[in-house]
Amino acid sequence: TQLLEQSPQFLSIQEGENLTVYCNSSSVFSSLQWYRQEPGEGPVLLVTVVTGGEVKKLKRLTFQFGDARKDSSLHITAAQPGDTGLYLCAGVRGDNDMRFGAGTRLTVKP
Amino acid sequence: ETGVTQSPTHLIKTRGQQVTLRCSSQSGHNTVSWYQQALGQGPQFIFQYYREEENGRGNFPPRFSGLQFPNYSSELNVNALELDDSALYLCASSTGTLNTEAFFGQGTRLTVV
Repeated sequence: TQLLEQSPQFLSIQEGENLTVYCNSSSVFSSLQWYRQEPGEGPVLLVTVVTGGEVKKLKRLTFQFGDARKDSSLHITAAQPGDTGLYLCAGVRGDNDMRFGAGTRLTVKP
Repeated sequence: ETGVTQSPTHLIKTRGQQVTLRCSSQSGHNTVSWYQQALGQGPQFIFQYYREEENGRGNFPPRFSGLQFPNYSSELNVNALELDDSALYLCASSTGTLNTEAFFGQGTRLTVV
């Protein structure tokens, strides 16, 4: 059983649509990070959220950390083919215990 | 580019053999974490090294071992390879806490046949 559950596992949408992916856990995290990974590459950090209820925006991406610091969401507005990739959430417990979810594989069709 | 370099990029080994994977951390980073990512899965934490000492370990058997050197580069050693060890092995470097930012290398793709 994963410490972090991501949903959906797979998502295929048309260019211009909006989407939300979720990252849920029963554990409390000191921070939660979102990464994007291309095939054959390492994950690249998109954002770190630390405070419960925190919302961060990165262009068309909006990240939210749950009030209880157990869950998070990533919303993409007007998705583009360049957004295609594996989106991973990672929760950090304490200072150095980082655990990943299984990821959401997003495909944006032109 | 993150400044974290892993070698080799690809490797094929036979079941029962031993393998050593290497990671050069980003300049100024004293912590290296290793992850195993099976196809279609998220990375699974193997262990972490901080200033040359193991600083946490995931649910991996003792045949997975590591080292960190004074320059903070690191090695992952796997003995008695099994077919299920086939995966992408990732290292991430950071400055002592993963609550700030961890930079990942491109990974080593290990295939055990």
